[in-house]
Amino acid sequence: AQSVTQLGSHVSVSEGALVLLRCNYSSSVPPYLFWYVQYPNQGLQLLLKYTSAATLVKGINGFEAEFKKSETSFHLTKPSAHMSDAAEYFCAVSDIGGTSYGKLTFGQGTILTVHP
Amino acid sequence: EAGVAQSPRYKIIEKRQSVAFWCNPISGHATLYWYQQILGQGPKLLIQFQNNGVVDDSQLPKDRFSAERLKGVDSTLKIQPAKLEDSAVYLCASSSPGLGPGEQYFGPGTRLTVT
Repeated sequence: AQSVTQLGSHVSVSEGALVLLRCNYSSSVPPYLFWYVQYPNQGLQLLLKYTSAATLVKGINGFEAEFKKSETSFHLTKPSAHMSDAAEYFCAVSDIGGTSYGKLTFGQGTILTVHP
Repeated sequence: EAGVAQSPRYKIIEKRQSVAFWCNPISGHATLYWYQQILGQGPKLLIQFQNNGVVDDSQLPKDRFSAERLKGVDSTLKIQPAKLEDSAVYLCASSSPGLGPGEQYFGPGTRLTVT
């Protein structure tokens, strides 16, 4: 079974500081990995995805994530935080075969707070 | 392009009452998902439809939850009777094969409070 662990349920940074949100996964097959963002009172929105091509993936709003197979990690980073980045971020892994093709398994989420 | 629509946005009911949620996916998306998101947790898949057929309902509590997608477009999720632990946000998402596995479009959700 696939699973995702996000380290840290809350992360707080100052505006302009580096953002680092941690995600580790467990999968018996090469995974497809995702970061989704959820702004208050909204649904989830895809930030970026890894689909076994380049290990460094760039997403929207200046975010990027690096797939490290040896560490089973897919950490999300942004060089300089902006106030508008305050949201909850979810790491997820997808089934890519069988009857559950496309099914997402989510981590528990990390709430990012950005201070002025 | 219109996004995934859900209604109602908020619902408050007493335990043992019934409730229904509605979802209209993005036009042309054959796959529809219902998720339950309890406060402080990530979304958990309840049921996955491909057109009007169920692909995965292994985590749907079938003694009280039911879902249908009769014409392969809109879907309804029902809880009968509700329990306190059903308080959560219920998210609907849709996808199509051209997007690749795992890429889904989510609606704004329905926040259910059971008192």
